[in-house]
Amino acid sequence: QKEVEQNSGPLSVPEGAIASLNCTYSDRVSQSFFWYRQYSGKSPELIMSIYSNGDKEDGRFTAQLNKASQYVSLLIRDSQPSDSATYLCAAANAGGTSYGKLTFGQGTILTVHP
Amino acid sequence: NAGVTQTPKFRILKIGQSMTLQCTQDMNHNYMYWYRQDPGMGLKLIYYSVGAGITDKGEVPNGYNVSRSTTEDFPLRLELAAPSQTSVYFCASSPKNTGELFFGEGSRLTVL
Repeated sequence: QKEVEQNSGPLSVPEGAIASLNCTYSDRVSQSFFWYRQYSGKSPELIMSIYSNGDKEDGRFTAQLNKASQYVSLLIRDSQPSDSATYLCAAANAGGTSYGKLTFGQGTILTVHP
Repeated sequence: NAGVTQTPKFRILKIGQSMTLQCTQDMNHNYMYWYRQDPGMGLKLIYYSVGAGITDKGEVPNGYNVSRSTTEDFPLRLELAAPSQTSVYFCASSPKNTGELFFGEGSRLTVL
């Protein structure tokens, strides 16, 4: 059984701080990893994808992947109250037979307070 | 473009009733998915499709059926609704099989 585990939080950080969200996965076949943001009562929205070991930066967001440790993280720099949401980590196998099917973690609730 | 459109947004069913959740996308995506999300939980894959006429089961398919007669439409059928099917249902699509999904707004279903 594939599992993606996240600390459900809530994680509370002050405005302007760095928020660090973590995720571990159990299936070594997983090759592709995603962070989706979900505002309360809304649908998930893709904010980052990462496929290779190391860091990937996009604006204030940095995704980090360590396949040896089966660990994925998302850093949000200069956190804003508008970043307050649930962050879902997801994993997929690589290649054609994965068909883009995702295994999601339960999500981490992030609250950024002014 | 409207993206992924789901109807209805809210529905209350009685135990044993049946209904269809509609999902339409106007992005010409081949890959489409149905997920359910229970409170405080992540999303679980119900069914998916890699193109018109091709569907397959996901992680939690029991009690559901799907069809994919066109690229645009991917309806989810609930037969003999049970309280365990109370959830928020999300339809999603993708142009590639990479896991980069575009989600609809969701359909909140309550079975009483």
